[in-house]
Amino acid sequence: NAGVTQTPKFQVLKTGQSMTLQCAQDMNHNSMYWYRQDPGMGLRLIYYSASEGTTDKGEVPNGYNVSRLNKREFSLRLESAAPSQTSVYFCASIDLMTSSYEQYFGPGTRLTVT
Amino acid sequence: DQQVKQNSPSLSVQEGRISILNCDYTNSMFDYFLWYKKYPAEGPTFLISISSIKDKNEDGRFTVFLNKSAKHLSLHIVPSQPGDSAVYFCAASVIKGTYKYIFGTGTRLKVLA
Repeated sequence: NAGVTQTPKFQVLKTGQSMTLQCAQDMNHNSMYWYRQDPGMGLRLIYYSASEGTTDKGEVPNGYNVSRLNKREFSLRLESAAPSQTSVYFCASIDLMTSSYEQYFGPGTRLTVT
Repeated sequence: DQQVKQNSPSLSVQEGRISILNCDYTNSMFDYFLWYKKYPAEGPTFLISISSIKDKNEDGRFTVFLNKSAKHLSLHIVPSQPGDSAVYFCAASVIKGTYKYIFGTGTRLKVLA
């Protein structure tokens, strides 16, 4: 079991460029999440998908789009990157059908927008 | 509006002593609380959790206490070890509702050998 995997690990973009961050989980979890972590701000929820076929906005969705491609994969797209989107991005998943509610996190993608 | 707050950005403790990390919340609808540990360049990993119907949960060296009337939870680590040095995040959720988790800003724990 690889758990939650994220690609790429590092990325540098110029302002205005677009890119997609990929996330996949092999634990058959229903729900998946995208967070960003900034110094002094903790982890802030960007978007989440409670189940395959559904997506909802989190605390900071502006400038991002998501796609729940199938049960395993949840991608995050930046259409026109801005320096304010420089951050570390984490994907997480959880099986809400069990009584154990902890999220499993990927290793993160460090994104710099210049 | 910060619904989950960790007011201490950092904490230093001697090896073998108790570490106490604190977390306050404002939303009385939260019904599940979790603590995560994060090492540099890694994703957060789950540590321990507690349901709002309990006031204490223990797992080895880690104990989480919940005081609902004060909207406060704490994580106790006894005894503290150098390998516990990491950033600790508390998180809260309305599990039966939104499936969203709100995280605090984190406390960096340093255990001194």
